[in-house]
Order: sequence, then C-alpha cells, then structure tokens
Amino acid sequence: GNSVTQMEGPVTLSEEAFLTINCTYTATGYPSLFWYVQYPGEGLQLLLKATKADDKGSNKGFEATYRKETTSFHLEKGSVQVSDSAVYFCALKVIQGAQKLVFGQGTRLTINP
Amino acid sequence: DTAVSQTPKYLVTQMGNDKSIKCEQNLGHDTMYWYKQDSKKFLKIMFSYNNKELIINETVPNRFSPKSPDKAHLNLHINSLELGDSAVYFCASSQEQGTYEQYFGPGTRLTVT
Repeated sequence: GNSVTQMEGPVTLSEEAFLTINCTYTATGYPSLFWYVQYPGEGLQLLLKATKADDKGSNKGFEATYRKETTSFHLEKGSVQVSDSAVYFCALKVIQGAQKLVFGQGTRLTINP
Repeated sequence: DTAVSQTPKYLVTQMGNDKSIKCEQNLGHDTMYWYKQDSKKFLKIMFSYNNKELIINETVPNRFSPKSPDKAHLNLHINSLELGDSAVYFCASSQEQGTYEQYFGPGTRLTVT
C-alpha cells in the first residue's frame, strides 16, 4: 500500500541550529510529495512540494529533495528560528482513482532561544 | 476573512450522543475533505466531496455521515458517539480533485466522555 514514515519526535533544537526531519515513503507509481506545517492551534499549511524525482521544493528557508532511489523526501533548514516551532507532516499524493493525500505521523519541532 | 472555517472549535459530549461539525470555505473550491487526527497526531482522510458528490469514503464507521448542501459547505454528522471518536477533525478544500494544495480549517477538537 501507500504510506509515509517520518522520524519520531519530538525534536528540540536551539535557535540557528541545522534541522533535518527524515521522511521515507512507499507508493505505487510516482507520487507527488509534500511537506505541511501545523502551527499551534491552527490547521495545516502547505510548506513545499515536489512532483517528480530530483525535484527540490523550497519555501521559507526549508528545502526537500525528491529522491526516488532512496524513496525519501527529507526536510532541511540551515538555521532554524523560534517561529519554526510547529508540527511538520510529510505527505504523498496517490495518483490512482480518487486522488488523496496520505500523511506521515507528524514530527513536533521545538526551537529554544 | 477565514478561508476554511469550522464550527465549533471545541466539542465536549457524552457517549451515545449525536453531534455535528460544520465546515465552510469561501475560496470557490470544488472539492472538500474531512480528516481525523488522533491523539498521536496521525492524520487520515475520512471523506472527500467534489461538487457535492462523494468521491472518497475511507473505512469509516457508518455512524459518520458527511453532508454537502452546496459546494461551499461540508458538514460531518456523528451518531452514537464513542470514546474512540475523540480526536481533532479537520476540514479542507482544494480547487479541484487531486490539486496539490489543500487548504485546511483550524480543526474541531472533539472529546467524548
């Protein structure tokens, strides 16, 4: 089946640290991949996306590269800020039948000043 | 203006009761969704409507019944509530079925006692 696995949280870092949140997927065919972010008390927002192998999605200093050979889409940021504290969800879009998003379990990130 | 709104934000009720959650989007989108996020932050799709027509119906107990009176509204009615129904329920919408970006509402936290 189609599934997404993210690294277990919570993750706690100091401001200006380097961030990596791992995401791997299992899917039939070639899905599109996404990172969504959920700030406290809010709904999810699309952070970035990639639609084919070797594509790099980027937004707000975050990046993720679609790696078909390792079925991965790891999220990275070079220097995190306190305002990046949130829950991050990796997701894939299943391109079969009625299209839908399949989410990973979410990774809670806390950045300390 | 809120793009996707849900009411109520919090809902506390007893087992066996029937309750509804309402969702409205003012983005002019054709497709709306209901997701359930459990206590471990797992987010799973429940239903999707496209132009008032049900297109995704995951393995959800038939106590859950979505209703779309028009394409801007998708309500979720739950009969005979159980403890396991406690979760955060998110409504979302997108321009059309399968379009990348889904816009999420702020969520409704349902607690069944």
